[in-house]
Amino acid sequence: NAGVTQTPKFQVLKTGQSMTLQCAQDMNHNSMYWYRQDPGMGLRLIYYSASEGTTDKGEVPNGYNVSRLNKREFSLRLESAAPSQTSVYFCASSRDGSYEQYFGPGTRLTVT
Amino acid sequence: LAKTTQPISMDSYEGQEVNITCSHNNIATNDYITWYQQFPSQGPRFIIQGYKTKVTNEVASLFIPADRKSSTLSLPRVSLSDTAVYYCLVGRNSGGYQKVTFGTGTKLQVIP
Repeated sequence: NAGVTQTPKFQVLKTGQSMTLQCAQDMNHNSMYWYRQDPGMGLRLIYYSASEGTTDKGEVPNGYNVSRLNKREFSLRLESAAPSQTSVYFCASSRDGSYEQYFGPGTRLTVT
Repeated sequence: LAKTTQPISMDSYEGQEVNITCSHNNIATNDYITWYQQFPSQGPRFIIQGYKTKVTNEVASLFIPADRKSSTLSLPRVSLSDTAVYYCLVGRNSGGYQKVTFGTGTKLQVIP
């Protein structure tokens, strides 16, 4: 099992460009999450999806959109990137009734 | 969700037991406590979870007093590879997904 995978690993964007971060899990989990982590900080929840076909806003959703394409995949889109979105983005998933989230390796995004 | 407060950093010598205490004064009845470990350039990794009293697994112990306003993660006989950031989280299962809040974590440095 690969667990949670994320692509790309690194990305540099210019202000105003758009891109989609991809996430997939092979653990048959219902819940998936997108977090961002700024330097020296903890993780902050951007969006989550409790099941296929549902998504909800987290703590810092502005400037982002998400798509739960199917049970395996949960993508995060930046429509018009801003320097304030420079961060490391982590995708995670969890099983119903479990207290454990499984995290991907992260995508390091720089917006210039 | 209750906010958590942890020491920003700790140093320990190899082979010693390390105790990291977290304060969560406003924890609610249904909330649980989890701890995660994060190495540089990696996603967080689940260590242990508890609700009250003491929980032990193969890597750590978690002590939670009766009032649940704090918790202590205990790492026995740390090694250099335990150098990482440790996050205390208060979480709640909400409609099938886990609602958690990450604080800024405790940076543990293990010294040879």
